[in-house]
Amino acid sequence: AQSVAQPEDQVNVAEGNPLTVKCTYSVSGNPYLFWYVQYPNRGLQFLLKYITGDNLVKGSYGFEAEFNKSQTSFHLKKPSALVSDSALYFCAVRDASNTGKLIFGQGTTLQVKP
Amino acid sequence: DGGITQSPKYLFRKEGQNVTLSCEQNLNHDAMYWYRQDPGQGLRLIYYSQIVNDFQKGDIAEGYSVSREKKESFPLTVTSAQKNPTAFYLCASSIHKGANEKLFFGSGTQLSVL
Repeated sequence: AQSVAQPEDQVNVAEGNPLTVKCTYSVSGNPYLFWYVQYPNRGLQFLLKYITGDNLVKGSYGFEAEFNKSQTSFHLKKPSALVSDSALYFCAVRDASNTGKLIFGQGTTLQVKP
Repeated sequence: DGGITQSPKYLFRKEGQNVTLSCEQNLNHDAMYWYRQDPGQGLRLIYYSQIVNDFQKGDIAEGYSVSREKKESFPLTVTSAQKNPTAFYLCASSIHKGANEKLFFGSGTQLSVL
């Protein structure tokens, strides 16, 4: 069965420092991976996706993610964190049934302190 | 939030009552989804629809019902059979069910039990 895991409930980082939010996946076949961000009491916003090709994917708001097939990971990164990046981040994988469903990780809260 | 409108923003349910959450999209998307969000559990799929007049159960469909009579509308009814309905409900859509299509989310409805 397809699944994703986000091993950290919360990540704390100082403003201006690089940040990493971790995600590992388990799929049968080719992985289709996504990152979404959620601000308080709002819906999710798409950040980036990996379908195929370059292992480094660039997305919105300066975020990027590195796909690592051997480690089955898809970590979200940003070179310099902003206080406004503080939010809940979800990693997701496309369900193998080709129904368009996404399977989400449990989420990681990112706290960026000034 | 990407052309998807959810209403109401807050909803309260009395014991034994059915309540309906509205989801409307003006993106001309074929596929629509309902997710339930509980703290620390990520998002879980309730129902999804790939085309008008057709829908399928997701992972936690018990106690819920949906309809898809129009392309732009996908209302969710939380029935009295759902014994723990307190959660944040998110509606989403995508152009179609293809594997590389991202989801667009509404801003959510917080349902609480009185």
